[in-house]
Amino acid sequence: GQQVMQIPQYQHVQEGEDFTTYCNSSTTLSNIQWYKQRPGGHPVFLIQLVKSGEVKKQKRLTFQFGEAKKNSSLHITATQTTDVGTYFCAALSPLSGNTGKLIFGQGTTLQVKP
Amino acid sequence: KAGVTQTPRYLIKTRGQQVTLSCSPISGHRSVSWYQQTPGQGLQFLFEYFSETQRNKGNFPGRFSGRQFSNSRSEMNVSTLELGDSALYLCASSLLWRGSGNTIYFGEGSWLTVV
Repeated sequence: GQQVMQIPQYQHVQEGEDFTTYCNSSTTLSNIQWYKQRPGGHPVFLIQLVKSGEVKKQKRLTFQFGEAKKNSSLHITATQTTDVGTYFCAALSPLSGNTGKLIFGQGTTLQVKP
Repeated sequence: KAGVTQTPRYLIKTRGQQVTLSCSPISGHRSVSWYQQTPGQGLQFLFEYFSETQRNKGNFPGRFSGRQFSNSRSEMNVSTLELGDSALYLCASSLLWRGSGNTIYFGEGSWLTVV
């Protein structure tokens, strides 16, 4: 079935370094969403990308949707300890139709060393 | 306004028992989805309800069921619990069903431990 592959699974960075997580799908996606889950918390919606080649920024976070709408990335510039958590991408496949069936990547857990 | 409310937050059950989890969506939200989160399997879609109708179902056995009431509140039930059902069960609500591209909001989840 539909799968969304997310890499890397874990990333340890020194505070101030950059961080990137990638999501890839073998099929075209309707849209892609990104969530952040702090340790012990629940996923919190960050952003949704819909258009081919779309780029959106939220302060130090940059989100991209590939031209073919099969991949996406989240880049954090100059990480801070508050960025610690697991970042998930979630996709709505055209095959899902108008449903709430989001397919989540496995997540990338970010650790930031102060 | 209040967020998505899930009850209970934590519970321990014995194998073979059944459990019912409750979710109250954000006021005005009509779509409720349920997800299971485990360290090994990540976030897995269970089912989605919109206007009291199940719109979609994930690949879970029939022991997992759910329903939605006229006030949009939802419950999920797991019968004949197995050890592998230990997980964080997350409920998410959105204003309309997901195809419209609405943001979904997760509750804090119900931590289920099966012993």
